[in-house]
Amino acid sequence: DSGVTQTPKHLITATGQRVTLRCSPRSGDLSVYWYQQSLDQGLQFLIQYYNGEERAKGNILERFSAQQFPDLHSELNLSSLELGDSALYFCASSAQGASNQPQHFGDGTRLSIL
Amino acid sequence: GENVEQHPSTLSVQEGDSAVIKCTYSDSASNYFPWYKQELGKRPQLIIDIRSNVGEKKDQRIAVTLNKTAKHFSLHITETQPEDSAVYFCAASRAGGGNKLTFGTGTQLKVEL
Repeated sequence: DSGVTQTPKHLITATGQRVTLRCSPRSGDLSVYWYQQSLDQGLQFLIQYYNGEERAKGNILERFSAQQFPDLHSELNLSSLELGDSALYFCASSAQGASNQPQHFGDGTRLSIL
Repeated sequence: GENVEQHPSTLSVQEGDSAVIKCTYSDSASNYFPWYKQELGKRPQLIIDIRSNVGEKKDQRIAVTLNKTAKHFSLHITETQPEDSAVYFCAASRAGGGNKLTFGTGTQLKVEL
């Protein structure tokens, strides 16, 4: 158990819909990261938050958005879903937001678009 | 942006043998290089990491080496066991601008009895 909690574990929905994925970081960690893992794209960085502020951004689609709340949990919102959005979405956390900080991953949310 | 290449994509070894996985990175500003192990359907699990001010790091049967000049780093697993079978990912993070990890494409390691 990494201490990073993600809900839900599985999500099945249809194209055009909107979903929200939730992540609670390890106790004491201030930074949260979102990654997408698909068969054709591998593990891709989406976005990082540190203590409520956006710290770094990857190739995150405009249809996707995220935020980190005062209690440090984070949500990833995916809208206008397409078949290609089917993937495993991982959240990770680290103590600080700087480079060279170990990141610990949650168990992921498996999103299936029908 | 950063690009991380990883080889081989699959690796099969006999139990007790050593396994080596190699990665190269493109961004000379990268300063942190973790390795993750991912079993089927599970989360990536951090197994070892190395920072750019260190050339080698060891933890029991696992070691990582870093060559900053050549911009490559390697994972070495000695005395492999069946439970080492998994996909291994290398990653790199550059100084400044957060802690974004750029991952390699993964190596499927199979340890055969």
